[in-house]
Amino acid sequence: DAGVIQSPRHEVTEMGQEVTLRCKPISGHDYLFWYRQTMMRGLELLIYFNNNVPIDDSGMPEDRFSAKMPNASFSTLKIQPSEPRDSAVYFCASSSYNNEQFFGPGTRLTVL
Amino acid sequence: AQSVTQPDIHITVSEGASLELRCNYSYGATPYLFWYVQSPGQGLQLLLKYFSGDTLVQGIKGFEAEFKRSQSSFNLRKPSVHWSDAAEYFCAVGPNGGATNKLIFGTGTLLAVQP
Repeated sequence: DAGVIQSPRHEVTEMGQEVTLRCKPISGHDYLFWYRQTMMRGLELLIYFNNNVPIDDSGMPEDRFSAKMPNASFSTLKIQPSEPRDSAVYFCASSSYNNEQFFGPGTRLTVL
Repeated sequence: AQSVTQPDIHITVSEGASLELRCNYSYGATPYLFWYVQSPGQGLQLLLKYFSGDTLVQGIKGFEAEFKRSQSSFNLRKPSVHWSDAAEYFCAVGPNGGATNKLIFGTGTLLAVQP
């Protein structure tokens, strides 16, 4: 398996623009997680899905953030409109029944 | 409340020296325990995990960790550190069974290796 795939790897955008981050989990994994990592706040769980259904979105910072999982092999995290304070590395991870999470390489987002 | 504490934010060791990174947790029951490593610019990679059984677990890259229930600890060790071990290390805990796979991560320990 290719592991968790994230795209793009780097994204530079201007404040106010819409940003969409993409994730393909490992085949057969039924949990998918979105994290954000910054120097100031460390690793934060934003939202996670089980069998494509959002289970806990309490970590989503505000309404500008939204996440979807239309099928078992694809998820998106959208920020609209983006702000400079959204600059961070965003990770996607997936897991199966035993809690072991496999992380993608991350998307480094810079909002100017 | 469930939490993971990594008391050392930053550690520097000499190459070839032994290493111990501390992790303490607060959890309602015996959890699943994990150590992840993150090299600069990379995602998190699993080093090792404890689910049950032998409390001393072996991982990749020569790392091991020991689960001590009485101390609520899961410290990571390596007998001889290599320069390539310089990275950030995260301890995490998760439910042993149940309806969620959500992990709680510590704040990480940044390891620097001196030549």
